[in-house]
Amino acid sequence: DARVTQTPRHKVTEMGQEVTMRCQPILGHNTVFWYRQTMMQGLELLAYFRNRAPLDDSGMPKDRFSAEMPDATLATLKIQPSEPRDSAVYFCASGLSFVRRVDQPQHFGDGTRLSIL
Amino acid sequence: KQEVTQIPAALSVPEGENLVLNCSFTDSAIYNLQWFRQDPGKGLTSLLLIQSSQREQTSGRLNASLDKSSGRSTLYIAASQPGDSATYLCAVRPTSGSRLTFGEGTQLTVNP
Repeated sequence: DARVTQTPRHKVTEMGQEVTMRCQPILGHNTVFWYRQTMMQGLELLAYFRNRAPLDDSGMPKDRFSAEMPDATLATLKIQPSEPRDSAVYFCASGLSFVRRVDQPQHFGDGTRLSIL
Repeated sequence: KQEVTQIPAALSVPEGENLVLNCSFTDSAIYNLQWFRQDPGKGLTSLLLIQSSQREQTSGRLNASLDKSSGRSTLYIAASQPGDSATYLCAVRPTSGSRLTFGEGTQLTVNP
């Protein structure tokens, strides 16, 4: 089965360090999403791309977070500098989305568990 | 701003019972609604996606209904099994954009 692959699965680092999370979406999917999940806030959308173009990153603290898609097989989410409040599970999802046709369900990766000390 | 609420927050039932999970949303201008399942330490798995023009979707022992005008959806699980134990989340997509708004989930435990 095709899967969304996220690396690393776990990351522990000290405050102030740069963190880069990577995602390989399912081949052929045209949308990629980055989510953050915490006990307090639940699941929040940080950013998403369609056809590699960023469409909405309003959920992301732009002073420290950046999301890119260097090519169709790789999406990255970077935090610099990291802070303890960034500790969360970060999920990447991909899917097929069209303006005038029905959506297909989003497929999620297993997440990156990030702990900032 | 869209708000999605799921009731109950947690549910524990004996194996074999039929059960209903509830999801309500405040803005009826939705494009579709999805039900997901999340197992501990895992990502979300899409169970059912209902387009705004549809009333229900079925997959095996799962049936999801949508009443857009009243802002409600239910997920019906028939003959529950211990393997159904997980957190179930609903999410709505607005008519413009692809941003999903998620509920906080219902944690289901099915006891053998």
